[in-house]
Amino acid sequence: DTEVTQTPKHLVMGMTNKKSLKCEQHMGHRAMYWYKQKAKKPPELMFVYSYEKLSINESVPSRFSPECPNSSLLNLHLHALQPEDSALYLCASSSTTPADNSPLHFGNGTRLTVT
Amino acid sequence: DQQVKQNSPSLSVQEGRISILNCDYTNSMFDYFLWYKKYPAEGPTFLISISSIKDKNEDGRFTVFLNKSAKHLSLHIVPSQPGDSAVYFCAASAREAGNNRKLIWGLGTSLAVNP
Repeated sequence: DTEVTQTPKHLVMGMTNKKSLKCEQHMGHRAMYWYKQKAKKPPELMFVYSYEKLSINESVPSRFSPECPNSSLLNLHLHALQPEDSALYLCASSSTTPADNSPLHFGNGTRLTVT
Repeated sequence: DQQVKQNSPSLSVQEGRISILNCDYTNSMFDYFLWYKKYPAEGPTFLISISSIKDKNEDGRFTVFLNKSAKHLSLHIVPSQPGDSAVYFCAASAREAGNNRKLIWGLGTSLAVNP
């Protein structure tokens, strides 16, 4: 069982919908990440939160909006997505800041389909 | 341009034999390297890492070798087991401006261990 929990496991949404992906970890980790992964590709970094502050935004379109309510929770709010945004969205956490080389612990992802 | 290259998309090995997965990189500023394993429908799982100040790191059946002059690293799995069948990602990081680090991922090698 993964120690990073993501909900929902699957999500189908229309291009006009608003939905949110949720991620939770209880390992006391201080950095949390959103990645996007397409089939047969490596994970692609979207956002990093370090000590609940946004530290990296990889020029992600504004239709993706991250939120870190506290050190255990990370949300990704979705609005007006395009079909090409369909992918596996992975949340990860690490014990310290990204600068310290602590390994990432990934959740099992949310499989998102935009119709 | 791929800074981290895994030139073998797939590898097939007999159970009990050695699996060798290779990874090449181009950025001489990379100073930390990691291997992740990914099963279908799950997030990547951290396997083993190595700092550039070392040339070998071992953890049970897994050993990572680093050849800095050749900008090459390899993951050895001995003995290979059917449960090792998965996609293996090589990743590297370098310290960036603002004391940040980002993982740069290879495209993955799909390992099949046959009984």
